[in-house]
Amino acid sequence: DIQMTQSPSTLSASVGDRVTITCRASLSISTWLAWYQQKPGKAPKLLIYKASSLESGVPSRFSGSGSGTEFTLTISSLQPDDFATYYCQQYNSYGTFGQGTKVEVK
Amino acid sequence: EVQLVESGGGLVQPGGSLRLSCAASGLTFRTYSMTWVRQAPGKGLEWVSYINSGSNTIFYADSVKGRFTVSRDNAKNSLYLQLNSLRAEDTAVYYCATWGGNYWGQGTLVTVSS
Repeated sequence: DIQMTQSPSTLSASVGDRVTITCRASLSISTWLAWYQQKPGKAPKLLIYKASSLESGVPSRFSGSGSGTEFTLTISSLQPDDFATYYCQQYNSYGTFGQGTKVEVK
Repeated sequence: EVQLVESGGGLVQPGGSLRLSCAASGLTFRTYSMTWVRQAPGKGLEWVSYINSGSNTIFYADSVKGRFTVSRDNAKNSLYLQLNSLRAEDTAVYYCATWGGNYWGQGTLVTVSS
């Protein structure tokens, strides 16, 4: 099975900061990777699919990159609404999630 | 507006069974592959199961294989998850979602406890 390793597990940042979250796959998954945002008590929200495609309605400050085994989610200028937990998910073989990255107020 | 509405969660004793349902509306359900994802209290997301549009391709996470069964009824726009031989570690909010993640339900809580 493909394992997904996300880092960091917690990230402290301020409004306006550039934020980067990394996800590594144990095997190549091409670009079959999605990024989600989740807030407490809510379902996950799709941000990025196919590693770098922005889901409709998602602000352009979110971007994704990578292929193979290394992937990155970047928030170019962190906004108050962006404090949340972020997950990567590979969907090349089944649907493994990373363990999550909580973006908290510095 | 697309809606996925889960139901069927509740409190069940270890070894017991539950059947979760997911009612879909606002999308052409029969064309979508679907998935179940769960989240234990205070923990991360865990993929549980996948079923394609025609029900001829089905996958399960190792943690539920042999105990959970996914199915769908395209005529009723519904997805199901039969949970058998439940364990304490199956306690979680269970979400149904379209494969690819564009649409998610609000989740239904399953609590396994004596």
